[in-house]
This record gives sequence, structure tokens and C-alpha cells, in this order.
Amino acid sequence: DIQMTQSPSSLSASVGDRVTITCQASQDISNYLNWYQQKPGKAPKLLIYDASNLETGVPSRFSGSGSGTDFTFTISSLQPEDIATYYCQQYDNLLFTFGGGTKVEIK
Amino acid sequence: EVQLVESGGGVVQPGGSLRLSCAASGFTFDDYAMHWVRQAPGKGLEWVSLISGDGGSTYYADSVKGRFTISRDNSKNSLYLQMNSLRTEDTALYYCAKIGKGDYWGQGTLVTVSS
Repeated sequence: DIQMTQSPSSLSASVGDRVTITCQASQDISNYLNWYQQKPGKAPKLLIYDASNLETGVPSRFSGSGSGTDFTFTISSLQPEDIATYYCQQYDNLLFTFGGGTKVEIK
Repeated sequence: EVQLVESGGGVVQPGGSLRLSCAASGFTFDDYAMHWVRQAPGKGLEWVSLISGDGGSTYYADSVKGRFTISRDNSKNSLYLQMNSLRTEDTALYYCAKIGKGDYWGQGTLVTVSS
């Protein structure tokens, strides 16, 4: 099974800061990677699909990059409403795996 | 408006069974593969199972393989998860979801496995 190592597990940043989260796959997954946002008590919400494509309606301050085994998720300017836990998810060979999550807080 | 509404959760003893249901509306259900994803209290997301749009192909996480069975009834726009031989580590909020571009998620149904 493909394992996804996501880091950091938590971070604290100021409003307006650039925030970066990384996800590493245990084997090549091409660009079969999604990024999700989950706010407390809510279902997850897709932000980025196929590693770098912005889901419709998602603010452009969110972006994703990478392919193969190494992926990056960026919030270009952190906003108070971005407080949430973020997950990467791979979908190679129709077996899906989530990363462990990154909890983002405001400093 | 797209809706996914899960039901069937509850408290069950270890070794017991439960059947979860998910009622879908607002989209062409049989056009899409559907998933079950779970989240243990205070923990991260864990993918559980996938079924193709026509129901002909199914996939499972190793943690549930052989114990859980995913199915769907496209005539009823419904997704199911039969859970047998339940363990305490299966305690979680279970989400029904269409994953990927244009994703849809339900609000989840809570399964508690406890003696």
C-alpha cells in the first residue's frame, strides 16, 4: 500500500503569512493527489485536485504543485477563515490513502 | 442541490454487525464512483472503500478487507456499507462521498463499537 507522509503535523502562522505543507508518497503516484480542507465539525472540502488544479470556487491563494513522490500545498496569504486541518490524499491504482493531516492555527 | 445523507450508525458490541446507508440526490448517481471514508474521534481521515458507478468493481482498505462490503442500488440512488466482525478500532464517523473534482460529502453517521 502507498503511504503518505505529510508534514508538519501542525503549524502556527500570522495572518498574511505564506504557509507551506508537504506530502511525500512512498512510491511514484504521478499527479494522482488531492488536497482537502476540514474545519471542526464539518466534512472535508476539496481544494486542489490532480496535484495542481484549483477546484471551482476555491480562492486563488490556495495552490498545489509536485508530481511523482513529492508534493507541496501553499496558502499564499493566510486568512482567519483558513483555520482548519489540511489533508493530502493519493489515488493511485484506485486504492486511496490520506496523509496524517496538518492543523493550521493563527499565531 | 446535491445531498448525501448517511444513516444506520449506532452502538454495537465487538464482533457485531451494522449496515450503513447513504441516500443521494441532486446529481446523476450512477455516473459516479462512490466512497466511504471514516474518521475516528479526534483523528485523521481514513479511506475505507470505493465502488464503481455500475457497482461492478469494489476496492477496500486493508484494515476492513474481508469484513466490510460496499454496495449500491442505482435504482434507489443509494450507497451501502455492510460492516461485519466489528472491532473497537472501527469506532468512527463514517462519511459517504464522491471524491475528486466536484466532490460531495455527507455529514457522516457515527459508529461506536464498545462492550
